[in-house]
Amino acid sequence: ETGVTQSPTHLIKTRGQQVTLRCSSQSGHNTVSWYQQALGQGPQFIFQYYREEENGRGNFPPRFSGLQFPNYSSELNVNALELDDSALYLCASSFPTGDTQYFGPGTRLTVL
Amino acid sequence: GIQVEQSPPDLILQEGANSTLRCNFSDSVNNLQWFHQNPWGQLINLFYIPSGTKQNGRLSATTVATERYSLLYISSSQTTDSGVYFCAVRSAGGTSYGKLTFGQGTILTVHP
Repeated sequence: ETGVTQSPTHLIKTRGQQVTLRCSSQSGHNTVSWYQQALGQGPQFIFQYYREEENGRGNFPPRFSGLQFPNYSSELNVNALELDDSALYLCASSFPTGDTQYFGPGTRLTVL
Repeated sequence: GIQVEQSPPDLILQEGANSTLRCNFSDSVNNLQWFHQNPWGQLINLFYIPSGTKQNGRLSATTVATERYSLLYISSSQTTDSGVYFCAVRSAGGTSYGKLTFGQGTILTVHP
């Protein structure tokens, strides 16, 4: 049990729709990162938030966006969903030194 | 960017056997973590080990940073050890912030 929670657990959307995924960080952690894990692959870094600002981004298009709130919870928003967006979305929280990242249980998104 | 290779891709064992998983990386790192992903997708932290050796029960890990590899040892394997094992690293160079780069994973199956 890492103390990182995510909601919802599962989600089914259709192509072109928009989706919001939520993450609650472990107590005391003020840095959150989001990852996308396609079936059979390792997780891929989407972006990181620190003090409510994005401070790093992977190779994902602008339709992937995020927010971090003063209580350090976070959202991942994906617009104009595509079939390839079907994946497990993981968030991880850590202290700003970024030593150890602790992952939530993930949200499994299916795009039809 | 940094490359991470894990071997072997698949490993099948009988309960009680020992195993060694390997992670090679292409650049200097300041963060290396080993994870076990359970069938429900949860990434469970095993070790934070950018260098040196650590042990936790039947598991131990060694990272030789100068030679850019890490090893995860599992002794007296149990069926509950089954799952996917990931190595993830953060490059020590450039502006990697908290980005973890994952390998493709090793799928471990332990038979009773």
